[in-house]
Amino acid sequence: AQSVTQLGSHVSVSEGALVLLRCNYSSSVPPYLFWYVQYPNQGLQLLLKYTTGATLVKGINGFEAEFKKSETSFHLTKPSAHMSDAAEYFCAVSAYTGNQFYFGTGTSLTVIP
Amino acid sequence: DTGVSQDPRHKITKRGQNVTFRCDPISEHNRLYWYRQTLGQGPEFLTYFQNEAQLEKSRLLSDRFSAERPKGSFSTLEIQRTEQGDSAMYLCASSPREAGPFYEQYFGPGTRLTVT
Repeated sequence: AQSVTQLGSHVSVSEGALVLLRCNYSSSVPPYLFWYVQYPNQGLQLLLKYTTGATLVKGINGFEAEFKKSETSFHLTKPSAHMSDAAEYFCAVSAYTGNQFYFGTGTSLTVIP
Repeated sequence: DTGVSQDPRHKITKRGQNVTFRCDPISEHNRLYWYRQTLGQGPEFLTYFQNEAQLEKSRLLSDRFSAERPKGSFSTLEIQRTEQGDSAMYLCASSPREAGPFYEQYFGPGTRLTVT
């Protein structure tokens, strides 16, 4: 069985500060991991994904994530928060069959001016 | 290349009524997925189509729910005898023919259902 856990349902950072959103996964097979962002009343937009190869993955809008197998983690970071980053962020792991994603419960990011 | 579209964006219905939602995937994407998202939660998988074949269904998809994808293009999700617990955002996603577990899913804007 595969699953992800997002620690911290709400995170607040000051504008310009580091953003760190945590995601831990559980998978009996090599995981394929994704981060999505959701703005109010909108669908989900892919930020980045890890499949194989380089463990540091760069995505859109200055976000990146590092796959750490030893820690079963895939935390999302951004060096300097912008007001436009305020949104809901979801970590997901793909089923090995590719037939569905398993999503975490999400982290709501607030950026304080 | 237009994205995934869903119609309607919002639906308010009374308990006991039937509702139907439509999803148009990205053209030539042969894989289509439906998810349900309740307030404060992540999306939960409902069902998956490859072309017109419904290949997987979650146990969340009770007998009151039915999904179709005639001709392997657009899909519909129908809920019969709606209950207040059906209130949620219903999301549709698609991915291309060659997609495997490492391939992202492209999501539509969702249909927000409110059952009163």
